[in-house]
Amino acid sequence: EPEVTQTPSHQVTQMGQEVILRCVPISNHLYFYWYRQILGQKVEFLVSFYNNEISEKSEIFDDQFSVERPDGSNFTLKIRSTKLEDSAMYFCASSRSSGLADTQYFGPGTRLTVL
Amino acid sequence: GQNIDQPTEMTATEGAIVQINCTYQTSGFNGLFWYQQHAGEAPTFLSYNVLDGLEEKGRFSSFLSRSKGYSYLLLKELQMKDSASYLCAVRGHHASGGSYIPTFGRGTSLIVHP
Repeated sequence: EPEVTQTPSHQVTQMGQEVILRCVPISNHLYFYWYRQILGQKVEFLVSFYNNEISEKSEIFDDQFSVERPDGSNFTLKIRSTKLEDSAMYFCASSRSSGLADTQYFGPGTRLTVL
Repeated sequence: GQNIDQPTEMTATEGAIVQINCTYQTSGFNGLFWYQQHAGEAPTFLSYNVLDGLEEKGRFSSFLSRSKGYSYLLLKELQMKDSASYLCAVRGHHASGGSYIPTFGRGTSLIVHP
């Protein structure tokens, strides 16, 4: 069964450093998403992406964040200058269409630890 | 802004039926989702409701009443593997724009015991 993959599974970085979190969505999916979940807290939507453009973004997704689809398979989230409060699990998801009833498949997540 | 309320924790017996409620206040509404999340794992999509009524999918059903700002997830024939956190998420208007984004509740931790 096809699945969303994410690398790395765990990233440790120093405050102020840039990190890039990578995702490979399911191959025939067209819509891509990033969410984050701080330990013990609720899941938060960051951004959705379609046709090489951001479709929707939350207030969390400020100028420190950017997304890119650099090739036909990868979907990346970049945090330019990490802060302690960016420590969280970051989930990538993809769906086949924009139909909201269409299932979003989540990757296993990248745990980001900012020291 | 958006506000999503769900019970923090529920317990139930294997084979029983459990109903997990979710109430919400949002500016604008464009659908409600339920997800299942096992500890340390990613969320798994369960259901999506945008019109009033009941959507049934196997052992899981989800109900929506837009006028009451209320939804529930019904789990039948509970199994031990259903022990997980159940997340309610509502698409409402973004605070500073017209687009809809999902806001998640804190999740309901369901414990199924023999």
